[in-house]
Amino acid sequence: GNSVTQMEGPVTLSEEAFLTINCTYTATGYPSLFWYVQYPGEGLQLLLKATKADDKGSNKGFEATYRKETTSFHLEKGSVQVSDSAVYFCALSDHAGNQFYFGTGTSLTVIP
Amino acid sequence: DAGVIQSPRHEVTEMGQEVTLRCKPISGHNSLFWYRQTMMRGLELLIYFNNNVPIDDSGMPEDRFSAKMPNASFSTLKIQPSEPRDSAVYFCASSFIRDSGTDTQYFGPGTRLTVL
Repeated sequence: GNSVTQMEGPVTLSEEAFLTINCTYTATGYPSLFWYVQYPGEGLQLLLKATKADDKGSNKGFEATYRKETTSFHLEKGSVQVSDSAVYFCALSDHAGNQFYFGTGTSLTVIP
Repeated sequence: DAGVIQSPRHEVTEMGQEVTLRCKPISGHNSLFWYRQTMMRGLELLIYFNNNVPIDDSGMPEDRFSAKMPNASFSTLKIQPSEPRDSAVYFCASSFIRDSGTDTQYFGPGTRLTVL
């Protein structure tokens, strides 16, 4: 079946630190991969996506590369800001089933 | 575009009462998803529609929950009767599903439901 596994939180970093949130997936076929962000009290927003192997999605300084060989889609940012404090969800879309599969979310807190 | 619109944003009700949550998807999208989010269980898919037809309702917790999509621009999620364990944030999301597979899901702001 299809599933997404992401690192447990919460993660606490100092401002300007390097961020990595790990995400691995299991899927049949060739899924698209997504990172969503949820700020407090809001709905999920698309942060970035990649639709095929070796694609790199990027947005607002965040990056993730679709690695088919390691079935991973790790989220990275070189220098986090307090405003990046949020919950981050990794997700895959199964083209065959037309569904999304979300990870459990990783809470990030950035302290000044 | 206004994005996915949900109403109400907050709902407080008493156990046993009927609750109706509403969603207006993004114009032109052909698929709509209802999710529930709690601290204990995270984000759960309840049901999704494609072209107004329910495709998968296996996530609906029990018969107290029902969802309808009478047209392409409106959906409801109803809980009757409501129970305290239904307290959660309910999200609606929409997307455009092509033959080649799904596109990005766009989420509404959610309805925070509290059942006393």
